[in-house]
Order: sequence, then structure tokens, then C-alpha cells
Amino acid sequence: DTAVSQTPKYLVTQMGNDKSIKCEQNLGHDTMYWYKQDSKKFLKIMFSYNNKELIINETVPNRFSPKSPDKAHLNLHINSLELGDSAVYFCASSQVIAGTETQYFGPGTRLLVL
Amino acid sequence: AQSVAQPEDQVNVAEGNPLTVKCTYSVSGNPYLFWYVQYPNRGLQFLLKYITGDNLVKGSYGFEAEFNKSQTSFHLKKPSALVSDSALYFCAVRDMTNAGKSTFGDGTTLTVKP
Repeated sequence: DTAVSQTPKYLVTQMGNDKSIKCEQNLGHDTMYWYKQDSKKFLKIMFSYNNKELIINETVPNRFSPKSPDKAHLNLHINSLELGDSAVYFCASSQVIAGTETQYFGPGTRLLVL
Repeated sequence: AQSVAQPEDQVNVAEGNPLTVKCTYSVSGNPYLFWYVQYPNRGLQFLLKYITGDNLVKGSYGFEAEFNKSQTSFHLKKPSALVSDSALYFCAVRDMTNAGKSTFGDGTTLTVKP
């Protein structure tokens, strides 16, 4: 079974559209994340939720809105897509054990905005 | 504030030779340090982490890393590189007091040539 899954794997869309990416983890973890990896492969955290509560919200345009219906799911909705949103978006989850955590990443969603 | 630097964009080694991928960090308190590997078109996979204790940490696939507090470094090493080790490697740091947020380096592409 896939531990952290994302749908869709690929997303090609026009500028101005609204799209959602879904993430599910079956590890029983309390914390989930969204990262953006740009064309240079730099990885930046966008959001983090712990038990459905937002705990990290980096400087991200408010066109990006995460939603966590339960602690196993963290979806990312993007309004009014722009060319610069083209990137690979990774979901991850983790559980704090003995004060630290290891993050488990999904396979990524490759978003191309035309 | 916390930050991490991977000074080399690219590391090239011959198969069978030892490899080192460098990482230095900055935190205000005590660090948790991580190495992740990303194979092409895949999500990041955890390799190893340092929490406390022994400065030499052993991880997956024969990799190890040495925590050096005086040099604020956490270099990734392997005694004998394999072609299959070719991938993108990320170092990450989290201050022990900074719950939930790890900062990733910009990544180092390791190429192992036969």
C-alpha cells in the first residue's frame, strides 16, 4: 500500500483556472505538509497541518488554500493559476516520536500552467 | 532562525570511489539533521537523521553522516559509490524548539560514473 499518495500525478491547465490536488496518508501520522519544488529543484515548504490545524503557513499567495478534512487528508486548492505556479508539488506526512520526526513524501504532482 | 547550506550543486565520482556530499547548518538551539534522497521523477526518501548521541549516524543504502558541532556540518558519506546512488540529495535541519518545520537545502546532484 502506498503510504502517501497524491492525485493527480500530472496536471496541465490554462492560466486563470482553479485546480485542486489531493493528498492522503495511511500511516496514521498527525502532521501533513505541502512543498513546492521549482524547476531548479529547490524545495520550499508551503503549509503544515497538525491534527487538521494549520501550524505553518509560509509566504504563499492567498490563491493557495489548503484544506484538511481529517488528519489523513490534506488537499491543496489553487485559484487563478499563474504561469509561475508550474512546479512539482509534494505532499508529506510525519509523526513526532521521541521529539523528532521523519517525513514521508508522496510521489509528487507535476503542475504545468500554460 | 534556521538555515542549511549545500555548497555543491553537483558532485561527480567514479563507481567504487568514496563519496561525500556536504552540508552545513545554522540553528539557534540544538539541531535535528536529516538527509533525504530524490530519484528522478520520485518523491523524497528518508536516508538518515541525527538527533543526539553518537556523532556518526548510519542510514539506508550504506550511507552515513557525521555530525560535527564545532564545524556545524553534517556531511553525507559512503565508502564505495554505486551508479545507482546517482540522485538528488537534500540536507534538512530543524531546531529542536521549532516544532514541525524543517528547512531544506538547495540539493546536490550526485552523479556516479561507471
